[in-house]
Amino acid sequence: KAGVTQTPRYLIKTRGQQVTLSCSPISGHRSVSWYQQTPGQGLQFLFEYFSETQRNKGNFPGRFSGRQFSNSRSEMNVSTLELGDSALYLCASSLQTSGSDTQYFGPGTRLTVL
Amino acid sequence: AQKITQTQPGMFVQEKEAVTLDCTYDTSDPSYGLFWYKQPSSGEMIFLIYQGSYDQQNATEGRYSLNFQKARKSANLVISASQLGDSAMYFCAMQSNFGNEKLTFGTGTRLTIIP
Repeated sequence: KAGVTQTPRYLIKTRGQQVTLSCSPISGHRSVSWYQQTPGQGLQFLFEYFSETQRNKGNFPGRFSGRQFSNSRSEMNVSTLELGDSALYLCASSLQTSGSDTQYFGPGTRLTVL
Repeated sequence: AQKITQTQPGMFVQEKEAVTLDCTYDTSDPSYGLFWYKQPSSGEMIFLIYQGSYDQQNATEGRYSLNFQKARKSANLVISASQLGDSAMYFCAMQSNFGNEKLTFGTGTRLTIIP
């Protein structure tokens, strides 16, 4: 079974631009979560989608948004990029059957904002 | 609120030795799960092992075992017979069992295996 895939793997943008990152979950997984990893703040939860609905959101500004499609693929968008948005963005998927579900991560998208 | 504490920023271990990575947690949830992930320099987070808060036995997965002490709120990862490929960042994480998919991570421990 294929793992979680994320595209693109690397991205360079300039301040003020917007960016869209894509995540394809493991087949059969309906929950997709996004995390931001930076040296200063560590791993922080962005949001989680299940059946095309955002169920949970972390403490990030409204410039960060996401969506999930009917095939469970997810995208996240960051508008008006700032230098501080430079980070590794990780997507994770899980079955979400009950209780704690193991989240399986993709390879991440490394975003650099100049 | 949940909190994970990893007090060892870095560790150096001789190849073939066993290593224990420390993790303590804090939560008010009565039911939760504890996870360990490995992150090589490539960036991908690799799932290693899971422990449920009501599991009576410590979890094991090959060379990985989780030393779970619920009363002390600790969930240490033990790697037996370390290998050069074990060099990576290791993160402890927890998740509530009440339908909240959010993982709360610790700050990580950078493990370096010395040949």
